[in-house]
Order: sequence, then C-alpha cells, then structure tokens
Amino acid sequence: GQNIDQPTEMTATEGAIVQINCTYQTSGFNGLFWYQQHAGEAPTFLSYNVLDGLEEKGRFSSFLSRSKGYSYLLLKELQMKDSASYLCAALDSNYQLIWGAGTKLIIKP
Amino acid sequence: GAVVSQHPSRVICKSGTSVKIECRSLDFQATTMFWYRQFPKKSLMLMATSNEGSKATYEQGVEKDKFLINHASLTLSTLTVTSAHPEDSSFYICSASGLEGHTEAFFGQGTRLTVV
Repeated sequence: GQNIDQPTEMTATEGAIVQINCTYQTSGFNGLFWYQQHAGEAPTFLSYNVLDGLEEKGRFSSFLSRSKGYSYLLLKELQMKDSASYLCAALDSNYQLIWGAGTKLIIKP
Repeated sequence: GAVVSQHPSRVICKSGTSVKIECRSLDFQATTMFWYRQFPKKSLMLMATSNEGSKATYEQGVEKDKFLINHASLTLSTLTVTSAHPEDSSFYICSASGLEGHTEAFFGQGTRLTVV
C-alpha cells in the first residue's frame, strides 16, 4: 500500500532550528511536496523536490533521498508564526497526491 | 504565485438543504481541480478529482450523488453538498493545478460548513 509517515508533533524554541522528517512508500514517484497549514486555514505550498538533494528557500530547506524514500523539511531561525502543521505529500505514478497526517510544530519562546 | 479563490469561506445551513461551494482559479487555467475534506486535527482527505469537461473521479467511500462536482470551465469547479446532514459539517478545501511550469497544486482558502 501507499503510506506517508511523519511525526505527529514536535516542539522547538524560537530562534532555533528544527527538522521534520517524512518517509514515503508509493507506487511510483513523481516528487514530494511540503505544505504549511495554520489552524483553520488551507495549506500553503512550501517546496517541491523531485531530484535528490537539498533545496534552500530562505529560512526553509527541503531535502530528498529517493533511494531511501525519505525527505525532511528544515526550518531555521524559528519564529512564533512558524507554529503550524507541516504536511508532507508524495506524488505517485498516477500523479495522485498521497498525504501524510501532518506534523504539528509548536514554537516556544 | 497563482491564486485560487474559494467561496464562501463559511456557511451554516439547515439539515436537509443543499450547499454549493465554488472554486475559481483567478489567473491561470486549471486543467485539474481537487476537492478535499478535512476533519479537525486530521490530514486532508481527497474526495474527488475533476478535469475540465469530464466527470469527476471520486475516491472510494465518497458518495457521488451526495457530493456533486462540476468542472464546467477551466477556471471554475463547484462542489454541491446535497441534503446536508450534521455529519457533513467539515472543512472543505479545493486545489487547482495546471499553471504552466508548476507541478504543485494551489489551494483555495477553504470553506467551513456547519450543518445544524
């Protein structure tokens, strides 16, 4: 079956760095997405990786290893507004998005 | 980035009535639109995928006669919840893909449906 695993909840301190991991098992693979979702709002796009390696966008970076079925989202210089759920989603061979349950990130002062 | 507008953002309706939710891509042609339902503290659950001009493809367990989806144009898809019941209360979100050069889907703001 197809499956996405990510931690349910993480806590970090303002100004610190946090890494949210995601492992996936899908029928075929056409890329991996990270979305941010604040409570009561729709998800917003953060990153898309289809090749191995690290992609950096400001304070956020995303890494992909296709051979390991693994990705992580790295958030630097954490701010209180980064408190949100972070959703990992993989695109399978039919271009269907398979969603993880999301990681709730709690930022403490 | 591309803009997807979803309307209304909140709606309260009486049990037994029907509610229509609109999803519009404002600055690109959305060849594919997706409708999701999200329960509190849960991930997105894909309900159906629609391509412009063709019938929507519903996910297993989703009643197509209850959740009517129409994708009449490249910029508009609608979800109609028919004969709504309190258990249909949820957060419904649409997304659209098809922006040239972009693989990701862009999300609407979501609609909070409360059936009383």
